[in-house]
Amino acid sequence: NAGVTQTPKFQVLKTGQSMTLQCAQDMNHNSMYWYRQDPGMGLRLIYYSASEGTTDKGEVPNGYNVSRLNKREFSLRLESAAPSQTSVYFCASSGNIQQETQYFGPGTRLLVL
Amino acid sequence: KNQVEQSPQSLIILEGKNCTLQCNYTVSPFSNLRWYKQDTGRGPVSLTIMTFSENTKSNGRYTATLDADTKQSSLHITASQLSDSASYICVVSRSYNKLIFGAGTRLAVHP
Repeated sequence: NAGVTQTPKFQVLKTGQSMTLQCAQDMNHNSMYWYRQDPGMGLRLIYYSASEGTTDKGEVPNGYNVSRLNKREFSLRLESAAPSQTSVYFCASSGNIQQETQYFGPGTRLLVL
Repeated sequence: KNQVEQSPQSLIILEGKNCTLQCNYTVSPFSNLRWYKQDTGRGPVSLTIMTFSENTKSNGRYTATLDADTKQSSLHITASQLSDSASYICVVSRSYNKLIFGAGTRLAVHP
């Protein structure tokens, strides 16, 4: 089992460009999450999907969109990247929305120039 | 304001020594408190989860304590190993979609 995988591992964008971060899990989990981690700060929830077919905003959703493509995959899209979106992005999954343990992917480092 | 504060920000210890990391929180309502280990360049990995009624929980050489009255938690690492070098993150849950993450304590274990 690979657990939670993310692609790409690293990306450089110019301001205004768009891109999609991909996340997949092979643990048959129902719930998936996207976080960002900035230096000196704790992780912050961007969006989450309690189950296939549903998505909800987290703490910092502005500038992002998500798609729960199927049970395995949850993508995060930046329509018009801004330097403030330079961060490390983590995808996570859990058995269900009430389950306490979340399993994290390795992260995607994004630099917006 | 819901906050999780961790101390120290960074810590250097010698291999084989013990250490204790602190977490103070002002999160309400409280559901549970979690400790995660994050290796450099990797995602966080869960170490322990404690609910309001639990005051101690162990995972191998890691022991977490929780004092819900004073809103404090600690993570004690016994007989440290080089592989313990990582950031340790305290997370307080208000509900399933409201996790408040601390900024972490960066631990370096030197031989």
